[in-house]
Amino acid sequence: AQKITQTQPGMFVQEKEAVTLDCTYDTSDPSYGLFWYKQPSSGEMIFLIYQGSYDQQNATEGRYSLNFQKARKSANLVISASQLGDSAMYFCAMKTPSNTGKLIFGQGTTLQVKP
Amino acid sequence: ETGVTQSPTHLIKTRGQQVTLRCSSQSGHNTVSWYQQALGQGPQFIFQYYREEENGRGNFPPRFSGLQFPNYSSELNVNALELDDSALYLCASSLGGVNTGELFFGEGSRLTVL
Repeated sequence: AQKITQTQPGMFVQEKEAVTLDCTYDTSDPSYGLFWYKQPSSGEMIFLIYQGSYDQQNATEGRYSLNFQKARKSANLVISASQLGDSAMYFCAMKTPSNTGKLIFGQGTTLQVKP
Repeated sequence: ETGVTQSPTHLIKTRGQQVTLRCSSQSGHNTVSWYQQALGQGPQFIFQYYREEENGRGNFPPRFSGLQFPNYSSELNVNALELDDSALYLCASSLGGVNTGELFFGEGSRLTVL
């Protein structure tokens, strides 16, 4: 079965510090894509970062990096130098060819950045 | 700005009624997918449309139906509304592709069923 697991319902981080949001996945497809989205209270899902299953290096996008450990089936999001505007819900998601391109989301992690 | 717009942003219906939600995809995107997000949960895939045809469906009953138009905009219709249909409905557009096709989401339509 295809599944995304986010075990941290809520996280706190001090402003300017780094934080890691955990994500593990399960799929039997050798080819898949992993995504992280941010959802502020407005409801819009904002794309942050993407990692393909065959990518040799960890993805990075500005302050966001993805710690991809394929053998452990984990794809943790690292946010460096946290800002107050980073407070939001964060979702890990997966897309595989066998699922007609749909995104499978985890339950999400609420991040609160403290001043 | 993502370019995906949804309407209405909020609406209230009563059990048994029907609702139509609308989505305008980002310019040039030919694939639209719909997701249901219950409060405190991750989004759940409803279905996807590619060039006006349904191209994948999640575990939702037939009273959830959709359309995609020649300009790639889309509608989600829900008949015989139930209380559990209360949720945020998200539309996402993309250029297709399976693993690298980034989805651009709208801000959603928040449906409350009383």
